[in-house]
Amino acid sequence: AQSVTQPDIHITVSEGASLELRCNYSYGATPYLFWYVQSPGQGLQLLLKYFSGDTLVQGIKGFEAEFKRSQSSFNLRKPSVHWSDAAEYFCAFMNTGFQKLVFGTGTRLLVSP
Amino acid sequence: DVKVTQSSRYLVKRTGEKVFLECVQDMDHENMFWYRQDPGLGLRLIYFSYDVKMKEKGDIPEGYSVSREKKERFSLILESASTNQTSMYLCATLSGVSTDTQYFGPGTRLTVL
Repeated sequence: AQSVTQPDIHITVSEGASLELRCNYSYGATPYLFWYVQSPGQGLQLLLKYFSGDTLVQGIKGFEAEFKRSQSSFNLRKPSVHWSDAAEYFCAFMNTGFQKLVFGTGTRLLVSP
Repeated sequence: DVKVTQSSRYLVKRTGEKVFLECVQDMDHENMFWYRQDPGLGLRLIYFSYDVKMKEKGDIPEGYSVSREKKERFSLILESASTNQTSMYLCATLSGVSTDTQYFGPGTRLTVL
Protein backbone atom coordinates (compact mmCIF):
# COMPACT_ATOMS: atom_id res chain seq x y z
CA ALA A 1 0.00 0.00 0.00
CA GLN A 2 1.14 3.53 -0.66
CA SER A 3 1.79 5.33 2.58
CA VAL A 4 3.91 7.84 4.42
CA THR A 5 5.09 7.30 7.96
CA GLN A 6 6.18 10.02 10.33
CA PRO A 7 7.14 8.04 13.43
CA ASP A 8 7.41 11.00 15.79
CA ILE A 9 4.15 12.60 16.87
CA HIS A 10 5.86 15.27 18.96
CA ILE A 11 9.43 16.49 19.13
CA THR A 12 10.85 19.08 21.51
CA VAL A 13 14.07 20.84 20.58
CA SER A 14 15.94 23.61 22.35
CA GLU A 15 16.27 26.85 20.48
CA GLY A 16 19.55 26.86 18.58
CA ALA A 17 19.83 23.08 18.52
CA SER A 18 19.71 21.01 15.37
CA LEU A 19 16.57 19.29 14.15
CA GLU A 20 15.80 16.16 12.19
CA LEU A 21 12.24 15.05 11.42
CA ARG A 22 11.86 11.57 10.05
CA CYS A 23 9.77 10.48 7.08
CA ASN A 24 9.52 7.10 5.40
CA TYR A 25 7.39 6.23 2.41
CA SER A 26 6.07 3.09 0.84
CA TYR A 27 5.67 3.29 -2.93
CA GLY A 28 6.65 1.10 -5.83
CA ALA A 29 8.58 3.72 -7.76
CA THR A 30 10.47 6.87 -6.95
CA PRO A 31 7.85 9.34 -5.82
CA TYR A 32 7.76 13.07 -5.78
CA LEU A 33 8.37 14.05 -2.15
CA PHE A 34 7.36 17.12 -0.20
CA TRP A 35 7.61 18.70 3.21
CA TYR A 36 4.94 21.15 4.30
CA VAL A 37 4.71 23.24 7.46
CA GLN A 38 1.54 24.38 9.18
CA SER A 39 1.65 27.12 11.78
CA PRO A 40 -1.24 27.29 14.26
CA GLY A 41 -4.45 28.34 12.55
CA GLN A 42 -2.83 28.47 9.13
CA GLY A 43 -2.91 26.50 5.92
CA LEU A 44 0.01 24.44 4.68
CA GLN A 45 3.11 26.08 3.32
CA LEU A 46 5.54 24.21 1.10
CA LEU A 47 9.04 23.98 2.60
CA LEU A 48 10.74 21.96 -0.12
CA LYS A 49 10.21 19.27 -2.70
CA TYR A 50 12.15 16.51 -4.43
CA PHE A 51 11.40 15.37 -7.94
CA SER A 52 14.72 14.08 -9.26
CA GLY A 53 18.42 14.91 -9.41
CA ASP A 54 20.43 15.95 -6.39
CA THR A 55 19.19 14.00 -3.39
CA LEU A 56 19.90 16.86 -0.99
CA VAL A 57 17.21 19.48 -1.40
CA GLN A 58 17.30 22.99 -0.02
CA GLY A 59 14.11 24.71 1.02
CA ILE A 60 12.87 27.88 2.59
CA LYS A 61 13.56 29.04 6.15
CA GLY A 62 16.91 27.22 6.26
CA PHE A 63 15.46 23.71 5.95
CA GLU A 64 16.89 20.90 3.88
CA ALA A 65 15.92 17.29 3.24
CA GLU A 66 17.77 14.28 1.93
CA PHE A 67 16.21 11.59 -0.24
CA LYS A 68 17.63 8.14 0.47
CA ARG A 69 16.25 5.59 -1.92
CA SER A 70 17.80 2.62 -0.10
CA GLN A 71 16.02 3.61 3.12
CA SER A 72 12.82 4.94 1.50
CA SER A 73 13.35 8.05 3.58
CA PHE A 74 13.11 11.78 3.14
CA ASN A 75 14.16 13.31 6.46
CA LEU A 76 13.91 17.02 7.11
CA ARG A 77 16.78 18.85 8.81
CA LYS A 78 17.68 22.26 10.11
CA PRO A 79 21.04 23.06 11.73
CA SER A 80 19.73 25.63 14.22
CA VAL A 81 16.09 25.86 15.24
CA HIS A 82 14.39 29.18 15.95
CA TRP A 83 11.36 29.64 18.22
CA SER A 84 9.33 30.60 15.14
CA ASP A 85 9.85 27.09 13.75
CA ALA A 86 7.37 25.69 16.27
CA ALA A 87 4.64 24.24 14.07
CA GLU A 88 3.37 20.99 12.64
CA TYR A 89 5.32 19.41 9.82
CA PHE A 90 3.90 17.10 7.20
CA CYS A 91 5.74 14.83 4.83
CA ALA A 92 3.92 13.84 1.64
CA PHE A 93 4.49 12.08 -1.61
CA MET A 94 2.75 12.40 -4.92
CA ASN A 95 1.62 9.45 -6.93
CA THR A 96 3.38 10.45 -10.14
CA GLY A 97 0.66 9.25 -12.46
CA PHE A 98 -2.22 10.65 -10.53
CA GLN A 99 -1.14 13.94 -8.99
CA LYS A 100 -2.60 12.82 -5.71
CA LEU A 101 -0.75 13.70 -2.49
CA VAL A 102 -0.46 11.14 0.28
CA PHE A 103 0.31 12.71 3.64
CA GLY A 104 1.91 11.46 6.79
CA THR A 105 0.20 12.06 10.11
CA GLY A 106 2.45 14.98 10.97
CA THR A 107 5.06 15.81 13.59
CA ARG A 108 4.46 18.64 16.00
CA LEU A 109 7.64 20.55 16.79
CA LEU A 110 7.94 22.34 20.10
CA VAL A 111 10.86 24.71 20.67
CA SER A 112 12.03 25.27 24.22
CA PRO A 113 13.95 28.38 25.32
CA ASP B 1 1.88 34.09 -6.08
CA VAL B 2 -0.90 31.55 -6.15
CA LYS B 3 -3.87 32.59 -4.10
CA VAL B 4 -6.32 30.06 -2.74
CA THR B 5 -9.16 31.45 -0.68
CA GLN B 6 -11.80 29.67 1.35
CA SER B 7 -15.10 31.30 2.10
CA SER B 8 -14.97 30.96 5.87
CA ARG B 9 -12.24 30.47 8.46
CA TYR B 10 -14.67 29.25 11.11
CA LEU B 11 -18.12 27.77 10.69
CA VAL B 12 -20.60 26.36 13.21
CA LYS B 13 -23.53 24.31 11.97
CA ARG B 14 -26.14 22.04 13.45
CA THR B 15 -26.58 18.34 12.80
CA GLY B 16 -28.65 17.75 9.68
CA GLU B 17 -27.92 21.10 8.07
CA LYS B 18 -26.66 21.33 4.51
CA VAL B 19 -23.24 22.93 4.48
CA PHE B 20 -21.33 24.51 1.62
CA LEU B 21 -17.60 25.15 1.76
CA GLU B 22 -16.28 27.28 -1.07
CA CYS B 23 -12.79 27.41 -2.48
CA VAL B 24 -11.58 29.89 -5.11
CA GLN B 25 -8.21 30.02 -6.84
CA ASP B 26 -6.79 32.71 -9.08
CA MET B 27 -4.12 30.79 -11.00
CA ASP B 28 -6.14 29.01 -13.66
CA HIS B 29 -5.11 25.63 -12.25
CA GLU B 30 -6.83 22.57 -13.66
CA ASN B 31 -6.76 20.46 -10.51
CA MET B 32 -8.44 21.22 -7.22
CA PHE B 33 -8.66 19.15 -4.04
CA TRP B 34 -10.55 18.97 -0.78
CA TYR B 35 -8.90 17.47 2.30
CA ARG B 36 -9.95 17.13 5.86
CA GLN B 37 -7.40 17.32 8.64
CA ASP B 38 -7.83 15.62 11.99
CA PRO B 39 -5.33 15.28 14.85
CA GLY B 40 -3.26 12.15 14.53
CA LEU B 41 -4.64 11.36 11.08
CA GLY B 42 -2.92 13.98 8.96
CA LEU B 43 -4.66 15.14 5.80
CA ARG B 44 -7.04 12.82 4.03
CA LEU B 45 -8.33 13.41 0.53
CA ILE B 46 -12.10 13.72 0.20
CA TYR B 47 -12.60 14.60 -3.47
CA PHE B 48 -10.66 16.14 -6.27
CA SER B 49 -11.39 17.60 -9.67
CA TYR B 50 -9.13 17.73 -12.71
CA ASP B 51 -11.44 19.81 -14.89
CA VAL B 52 -14.70 21.71 -14.86
CA LYS B 53 -17.63 19.41 -14.12
CA MET B 54 -15.24 16.52 -13.50
CA LYS B 55 -14.77 14.96 -10.08
CA GLU B 56 -13.11 11.95 -8.56
CA LYS B 57 -13.54 10.36 -5.16
CA GLY B 58 -10.64 10.49 -2.82
CA ASP B 59 -10.02 8.27 0.17
CA ILE B 60 -12.97 9.36 2.34
CA PRO B 61 -15.82 10.62 0.13
CA GLU B 62 -18.70 9.26 2.21
CA GLY B 63 -21.04 11.99 3.42
CA TYR B 64 -19.64 14.57 1.01
CA SER B 65 -20.23 15.74 -2.52
CA VAL B 66 -18.55 18.39 -4.66
CA SER B 67 -19.34 20.80 -7.42
CA ARG B 68 -17.10 22.44 -10.00
CA GLU B 69 -19.09 24.59 -12.37
CA LYS B 70 -16.25 27.03 -13.05
CA LYS B 71 -12.55 26.41 -13.26
CA GLU B 72 -11.67 28.72 -10.40
CA ARG B 73 -14.25 27.46 -7.90
CA PHE B 74 -14.56 24.10 -6.17
CA SER B 75 -17.28 23.56 -3.60
CA LEU B 76 -17.52 20.90 -0.94
CA ILE B 77 -21.03 20.00 0.16
CA LEU B 78 -22.14 18.23 3.29
CA GLU B 79 -25.68 17.15 2.43
CA SER B 80 -26.62 16.49 6.05
CA ALA B 81 -23.92 17.50 8.48
CA SER B 82 -23.06 15.14 11.30
CA THR B 83 -20.91 15.63 14.39
CA ASN B 84 -18.21 13.33 13.01
CA GLN B 85 -17.67 15.84 10.22
CA THR B 86 -16.35 18.37 12.70
CA SER B 87 -12.89 18.99 11.32
CA MET B 88 -10.52 21.34 9.55
CA TYR B 89 -11.15 21.41 5.80
CA LEU B 90 -8.38 22.41 3.44
CA CYS B 91 -8.64 23.20 -0.23
CA ALA B 92 -5.68 22.90 -2.59
CA THR B 93 -4.91 23.50 -6.23
CA LEU B 94 -2.38 22.12 -8.69
CA SER B 95 -1.54 23.13 -12.22
CA GLY B 96 -1.54 20.58 -15.01
CA VAL B 97 2.26 20.40 -14.96
CA SER B 98 3.30 17.13 -13.35
CA THR B 99 6.23 18.63 -11.49
CA ASP B 100 4.20 21.36 -9.88
CA THR B 101 3.18 21.45 -6.24
CA GLN B 102 -0.13 21.76 -4.47
CA TYR B 103 -1.00 25.14 -3.01
CA PHE B 104 -3.27 25.24 -0.01
CA GLY B 105 -5.88 27.63 1.25
CA PRO B 106 -5.99 28.76 4.90
CA GLY B 107 -8.59 26.18 5.88
CA THR B 108 -12.11 26.22 7.29
CA ARG B 109 -12.62 24.93 10.78
CA LEU B 110 -16.10 23.42 10.81
CA THR B 111 -17.88 22.53 14.03
CA VAL B 112 -21.09 20.52 13.82
CA LEU B 113 -23.18 20.62 16.99
